[in-house]
Amino acid sequence: EVQLVQSGAEVKKPGESLKISCKGSGYSFTSDWIGWVRQMPGKGLEWMGFIYPGDSDTRYSPSFQGQVTISADKSITTAYLQWNSLKASDTAMYYCARRTDFDHWGQGTLVTVSS
Amino acid sequence: DIQMTQSPSSLSASVGDRVTITCRASQGIRNDLSWYQQKPGKAPKRLIYAASSLQSGVPSRFSGSGSGTEFSLTISSLQPEDFATYYCLQHNNYPRTFGQGTKVEIK
Repeated sequence: EVQLVQSGAEVKKPGESLKISCKGSGYSFTSDWIGWVRQMPGKGLEWMGFIYPGDSDTRYSPSFQGQVTISADKSITTAYLQWNSLKASDTAMYYCARRTDFDHWGQGTLVTVSS
Repeated sequence: DIQMTQSPSSLSASVGDRVTITCRASQGIRNDLSWYQQKPGKAPKRLIYAASSLQSGVPSRFSGSGSGTEFSLTISSLQPEDFATYYCLQHNNYPRTFGQGTKVEIK
């Protein structure tokens, strides 16, 4: 069974850094893209970017390029989404999802940024 | 970027009703379109892939159709558990783009 298990909710202050994770299991982690999707409170879904863990090829949405970093550690079948300096506007639910057509989703990680 | 225009943004319907949601792409995307259902506080769940293929385990009352620029999701007989928000996604081109969502509410 394909599973994507994300790390727990985070509360951070503006300017702090953060790295959230998504652990894949039940499939060949290095053979499928993993993407990240943002959902701001009460809003729709926005694609942020993908990574192919097999060779770390990464694609970003222009809206998120330079704002976040997507990475993966294939030895522990885990993908990451990272911020160097959080803003209040980064407050959102973040989902990881498998493949470029998002067939399976993680449960989501709520990130709250507030002073 | 390919824009996905989803309509309506919300609808009210009764149990047993037939419901249709549409997505229009700003340029042709072949059949590279999926439909998702999201319930409050939950992750999205894929219902339809390749525009018209039913995801394993999804009830047959859900169906998808279309190709090119016009797509639709139909629920043949709305059930209580179907009240949710539905999104389309084009995965033909980068950046991937979702429709704005359709909230299906109880009449």
